[in-house]
Formats: sequence, structure tokens, C-alpha cells
Amino acid sequence: DSGVTQTPKHLITATGQRVTLRCSPRSGDLSVYWYQQSLDQGLQFLIQYYNGEERAKGNILERFSAQQFPDLHSELNLSSLELGDSALYFCASSAASGSLTQYFGPGTRLTVL
Amino acid sequence: DQQVKQNSPSLSVQEGRISILNCDYTNSMFDYFLWYKKYPAEGPTFLISISSIKDKNEDGRFTVFLNKSAKHLSLHIVPSQPGDSAVYFCAASEMTGGGNKLTFGTGTQLKVEL
Repeated sequence: DSGVTQTPKHLITATGQRVTLRCSPRSGDLSVYWYQQSLDQGLQFLIQYYNGEERAKGNILERFSAQQFPDLHSELNLSSLELGDSALYFCASSAASGSLTQYFGPGTRLTVL
Repeated sequence: DQQVKQNSPSLSVQEGRISILNCDYTNSMFDYFLWYKKYPAEGPTFLISISSIKDKNEDGRFTVFLNKSAKHLSLHIVPSQPGDSAVYFCAASEMTGGGNKLTFGTGTQLKVEL
């Protein structure tokens, strides 16, 4: 158990809909990262937050947005969902912004029908 | 454009023998390289890392070798154990705008057989 929690574990929705994925980092960690893993793909970095502020951005679509709240939990919002958005979404956390070691949650499996 | 590549999707090794997992990269700006291990229905778990200024790092049964001129790294597991059966991801780190971005390969499924 990494100490990072993600909810929900599974999510099934329809094209065009909007969903919110939630992540609680390990106790004491200030940095949160979001990754997407599509079928047969490696993990694709989406975005990083540190203590509420955006720190690094990857290939995140404009339809996706994220934020980190004062209690340090983070939410990833996915809107106008398409079939290709079906994937595993992982959240990770680390103590500091530049920490090498990231601790991953178990992921949220999103299925768009 | 895949900056981190793991060209072997799977590897099968006998228990007690050496497992060698390979990874190639293209971006010279990567400053650290990491290996993560992933079991089904779990998130990846950090295994070992190496700085771009070193050529070897060892931690118990796990050793990572970096050949910077060839832009190649490898993970050696000796001796391999059945519990090592998992997907192994190679990842490369670069600092960007005060943050840290990890670029992952597509993974290699290791199966250690009795």
C-alpha cells in the first residue's frame, strides 16, 4: 500500500459526458502527479501540482483539467469524453516538487462507451 | 515520438537465473532514470534509479547500468525469483519549470518460471 488513494476504482460513462477523478496523496506529500495509461501504452504524464500550484504540464488535452485543493487532495476533470479517453488514470505523490521517487495510487479505470 | 522505448514486451526467465530488461532513450536532457515494477491491479512501485552522471547503481538483487553514449540502460535481476514476475517500466526524469516530469516506456512483462 503506497498510501496514495484514488476514487473511484472503476468508472463507466458515455461519450460526451464529464467525470471527476479524485486523488489523496500520502500524508505529508505536497506534490501530486496525474498519468494516463491507455491500452498497450506506457504511462503518459499529464500534469503536476505542488502545494496547490501547477508545476509541470505534459500532453494533457484541453478537455482535461486538474486542480489541487488546500487539503492537498487533487481532482482530474475529464469533459466531452471520447471513446479514446478509456484508460487507467494514475495519481502519484511525492514529498517535494523535484522528488525523484513518486508513489503511485492503484489507479482509476475509466471506460467510455 | 516515443522518447523512452522498451522494445521487448515480454521476457521469460527461469528461477535463479539472471533477468535483463532493456530500455533506450532519445532525449539527452534526461537527468535521472528509474525502474518501476507493476503488479496487476496495483500502481507502479519504485524499484531503483540512476543519475545520468553514473554508469551503475546496485541495490540488493537489482542493478541498473547506464550507457550514456548509446542512450541505453538495463536492469539486471540476480537471482530471479517467482515474486519478480511483474511488468517493469523504465522511466526518465527531466526537471521542467520547477517541476519534475517522468517519461515512461511501454513496459516489459517479466515472467519468472519455476
